[in-house]
Amino acid sequence: QLQLQESGPGLVKPSETLSLTCSVSGGSISSASYYWAWIRQPPGKGLEWIGSISYSGGTYYNPSLKSRVTVSVDTSKNQFSLKLTSVTAADTAVYNCARGLVWFGEFVWFDPWGQGTLVTVSS
Amino acid sequence: QSVLTQPPSVSAAPGQKVTISCSASSSNIGNNYVSWYQHLPGTAPKLLIYENNKRPSGTPDRFSGSKSGTSATLGITGLQTGDEADYYCGTWDSSLSVYVFGTGTKVTVL
Repeated sequence: QLQLQESGPGLVKPSETLSLTCSVSGGSISSASYYWAWIRQPPGKGLEWIGSISYSGGTYYNPSLKSRVTVSVDTSKNQFSLKLTSVTAADTAVYNCARGLVWFGEFVWFDPWGQGTLVTVSS
Repeated sequence: QSVLTQPPSVSAAPGQKVTISCSASSSNIGNNYVSWYQHLPGTAPKLLIYENNKRPSGTPDRFSGSKSGTSATLGITGLQTGDEADYYCGTWDSSLSVYVFGTGTKVTVL
């Protein structure tokens, strides 16, 4: 059974870089049909797709965050990572990682998801 | 960015039926599949419905999905207390190249 687990600092200072890692177990990250995604949920708000990466390094990013986001993959560790630069309080959220199915360059669904990790941006 | 609008909340008594609508602000999603996700606080969101109306193994047949044009609907019959959660629709916006989620609906079992 595929499982995903997020890890990283729970507190980041404003203007600094948020860094998170998602560890994948119970299956290989090197699956051709899937992309590996980051999705966040600010407190009291809805879900926002951040970006996704394939095992070979192909990426898709949310245009609204693209200038600040980098998603990378390490197939040797079965992990992928998120970096979000120049964070502000608006980036405070629960960050989830998930596996996404892509058909003809379009995302179809996300499953499974990690439980999520709360990242607070505060000095 | 495209918006998928859902009612903030719906409620019904145990055993009853609820429906949750998901309406798109743009026609860009008209040709794309809609998925539905169930999110209980403190747990990982779960894929409930995919490709408009398909259920993953593990999703009870009490849950159903449909889509017409730029709107989709999630139905839950035989409502149970364990169904109390937030529900989100989601789809790909082909014009903006972004995956968008609905505004979310809280289901309450009275």
